[in-house]
Amino acid sequence: GAGVSQSPSNKVTEKGKDVELRCDPISGHTALYWYRQSLGQGLEFLIYFQGNSAPDKSGLPSDRFSAERTGGSVSTLTIQRTQQEDSAVYLCASTPNPGTSLPNEQFFGPGTRLTVL
Amino acid sequence: RKEVEQDPGPFNVPEGATVAFNCTYSNSASQSFFWYRQDCRKEPKLLMSVYSSGNEDGRFTAQLNRASQYISLLIRDSKLSDSATYLCVVRDSSYKLIFGSGTRLLVRP
Repeated sequence: GAGVSQSPSNKVTEKGKDVELRCDPISGHTALYWYRQSLGQGLEFLIYFQGNSAPDKSGLPSDRFSAERTGGSVSTLTIQRTQQEDSAVYLCASTPNPGTSLPNEQFFGPGTRLTVL
Repeated sequence: RKEVEQDPGPFNVPEGATVAFNCTYSNSASQSFFWYRQDCRKEPKLLMSVYSSGNEDGRFTAQLNRASQYISLLIRDSKLSDSATYLCVVRDSSYKLIFGSGTRLLVRP
């Protein structure tokens, strides 16, 4: 079946511009995560959505970052007034409804490579 | 101090070699442990979970030492296709996964 998809795959923008990154999770997965990975670094948690619950935004690095998830499916991550340090790969992951136990595996999309000039 | 620490490597080994990676974590409340594999310019994928008693999956063996807050991954009979970055991952009682920066493995012919 279809996996997690993200668009665009690459985005080059100028400093100060706004960008929107999109994530389509696996159908039926209720949990969605955004991460950021800088070159040679591990994954940095940004935000988590679970069903209709309020999202956990604790990982967002500044108020220039925001994310939405419409209809419990597609999510967009918006970065306003981009800075050069925002350059990274932005990864989205989804998991099934955790139910009574936390899921072990997160399914990742291919990521969006953002370059801020 | 990072929550999950790994030696970045690279580990450069010949085919057929045995190689071991280590990882330490700082949160003693961590409950679940995993190794993910990430190929160059690709997304991470779950390699295996790590259980308290240790577990094996083919050529891969994972060990957990809760007292020392230490996790290991052993790869036997290395293949060229094992070349990748191996990410140590932990989770406490919440849904968040904390990723290490990864250990890079290069297997040469």
